[in-house]
Amino acid sequence: GAGVSQTPSNKVTEKGKYVELRCDPISGHTALYWYRQSLGQGPEFLIYFQGTGAADDSGLPNDRFFAVRPEGSVSTLKIQRTERGDSAVYLCASSLRPGVTEAFFGQGTRLTVV
Amino acid sequence: KNEVEQSPQNLTAQEGEFITINCSYSVGISALHWLQQHPGGGIVSLFMLSSGKKKHGRLIATINIQEKHSSLHITASHPRDSAVYICAVAPGSTVGELTFGKGTHLIIQP
Repeated sequence: GAGVSQTPSNKVTEKGKYVELRCDPISGHTALYWYRQSLGQGPEFLIYFQGTGAADDSGLPNDRFFAVRPEGSVSTLKIQRTERGDSAVYLCASSLRPGVTEAFFGQGTRLTVV
Repeated sequence: KNEVEQSPQNLTAQEGEFITINCSYSVGISALHWLQQHPGGGIVSLFMLSSGKKKHGRLIATINIQEKHSSLHITASHPRDSAVYICAVAPGSTVGELTFGKGTHLIIQP
């Protein structure tokens, strides 16, 4: 596609429910990143994929969070047993190669846990 | 872990003023990104630079690798420039994720 696409744009869920957030990166971009942005803060790193594998998942806050990228393109961020503290904007970015090439960001998914 | 500091956190200026936003970081990097985020909107990449200076329209970004410092300048500012400007750095020795500053909230009043 022309840009990084994230769906849904907004998600409201009840505490304890399971959610999936989707990121469709720019075609051909091997690197894909997930970030979380809380109100008034800069984005914080969650996980980074190089191709199909998670090159660095050190930013995932706990084992309720998991992400996959089975075919090296679309990625899904999965959150189990959601908590109110998970409410944030989840941002996805992709780049042609990690590090020194420009990163392109999606519009984000605003997750609200009530 | 790289510590990225931006200043000021908030900036309100009048239309036409010259704007400077600063970013400093603690560890050597491979590249620095300046990003723009509008309220409710996604993030747009403005610049990626690893040395020197880049210019795009009314925006200018500079970086001093030795001093671990970068600045974003906006000339002839306009209300549509109102947004959050975020500095993000890419690690130097290993490939990986960007580390972000907290952003500078800029308001340009007409």
